[in-house]
Amino acid sequence: DARVTQTPRHKVTEMGQEVTMRCQPILGHNTVFWYRQTMMQGLELLAYFRNRAPLDDSGMPKDRFSAEMPDATLATLKIQPSEPRDSAVYFCASGLRLAGGTDTQYFGPGTRLTVL
Amino acid sequence: GQSLEQPSEVTAVEGAIVQINCTYQTSGFYGLSWYQQHDGGAPTFLSYNALDGLEETGRFSSFLSRSDSYGYLLLQELQMKDSASYFCAVRDPTGTNAGKSTFGDGTTLTVKP
Repeated sequence: DARVTQTPRHKVTEMGQEVTMRCQPILGHNTVFWYRQTMMQGLELLAYFRNRAPLDDSGMPKDRFSAEMPDATLATLKIQPSEPRDSAVYFCASGLRLAGGTDTQYFGPGTRLTVL
Repeated sequence: GQSLEQPSEVTAVEGAIVQINCTYQTSGFYGLSWYQQHDGGAPTFLSYNALDGLEETGRFSSFLSRSDSYGYLLLQELQMKDSASYFCAVRDPTGTNAGKSTFGDGTTLTVKP
């Protein structure tokens, strides 16, 4: 049963510290998404990769957030320096983008980040 | 850009039928998806409509009317485990953003005994 995996599942850190979240997409999927979810803002798209190339990171605060896909099996989201307002659940999702195909994204379990 | 509207909360009783509506305003349209998210869990895919009409998957059905920029999720024979948040999402068809989805704010469904 193929699944998206994310590590860590929970992270508590102090303001100013660097946070790195990792995601392993489902093997064979060609799209990867990073979302942030909070009660106030709902589900926000932070970054979107297709075939490992970043296509859209307009939802991401550029001064402190960065997203990369060093290879097809790993996507990372970094926050440096972290701030209390970054506290949220961060989801990674992967999908198989085919022309005209269904739009199914498979979400990982999320990383619950708390910045004190 | 894309924007979606759905009710924030819906309450229904076990065994009943409930419909969750979603209206959207988009610069382009490729398809409407529905996701379910239980409290503390991750969103999971339910259905996708690219064409007008009804798609049925077990107790869940999804409907789309592209001319009305409107869709709905229909849940039948409600069970307590259906209590969750339900999100509609539209897929951006344009250029390099093809495949990117914008999510609505979600509808919290509460099923009562």
